[in-house]
Amino acid sequence: DTGVSQNPRHKITKRGQNVTFRCDPISEHNRLYWYRQTLGQGPEFLTYFQNEAQLEKSRLLSDRFSAERPKGSFSTLEIQRTEQGDSAMYLCASSLLDGYYGYTFGSGTRLTVV
Amino acid sequence: AQTVTQSQPEMSVQEAETVTLSCTYDTSESNYYLFWYKQPPSRQMILVIRQEAYKQQNATENRFSVNFQKAAKSFSLKISDSQLGDTAMYFCAFNGRLDRDSNYQLIWGAGTKLIIKP
Repeated sequence: DTGVSQNPRHKITKRGQNVTFRCDPISEHNRLYWYRQTLGQGPEFLTYFQNEAQLEKSRLLSDRFSAERPKGSFSTLEIQRTEQGDSAMYLCASSLLDGYYGYTFGSGTRLTVV
Repeated sequence: AQTVTQSQPEMSVQEAETVTLSCTYDTSESNYYLFWYKQPPSRQMILVIRQEAYKQQNATENRFSVNFQKAAKSFSLKISDSQLGDTAMYFCAFNGRLDRDSNYQLIWGAGTKLIIKP
């Protein structure tokens, strides 16, 4: 297992376009998390899944954001009608159970909305 | 709400020196887990060290060690013999809940930018 994989690494899109990111977690991990991170800040929680169930979603998250994890394996994060304020690094992480052993992060997808 | 505070936005030390990064947190839980993560510039977040709250012994990982004071809700990270490769953002986190209706997940501090100078 090569860890958590995120694709693409970089995405530049025009304002108003839709974008989709993919995350492949460590296969043994049943939890998958999405975070957003801007420069110099800590990770901001977006949502997380346990297996295929989306257990929690940030109340601050716009309804333009949606995530899926079909069959409890990989996950996708879609942003519709992108805005310049969506420009950030989008991080995916996975963990066993409640994350007592920590999370394993991917390298992130950097989104730039122009 | 459960929170994590890192009071040092940025620190800078000379190579080979020892540096301590501070972290305090707020929780009413009795058992939880604490973490320090490192994020080098333009690179991914990696786990540095982990501490179980029910263990009194401080965790150590090579040059990295923690000073865990449960009563004071303090969890500082000490880096001995600092190296240029230690330059990174360091985030403190613990396994808690964002609010009473949330599930358990990592609660993050804002980070400390550590610069190791040659």
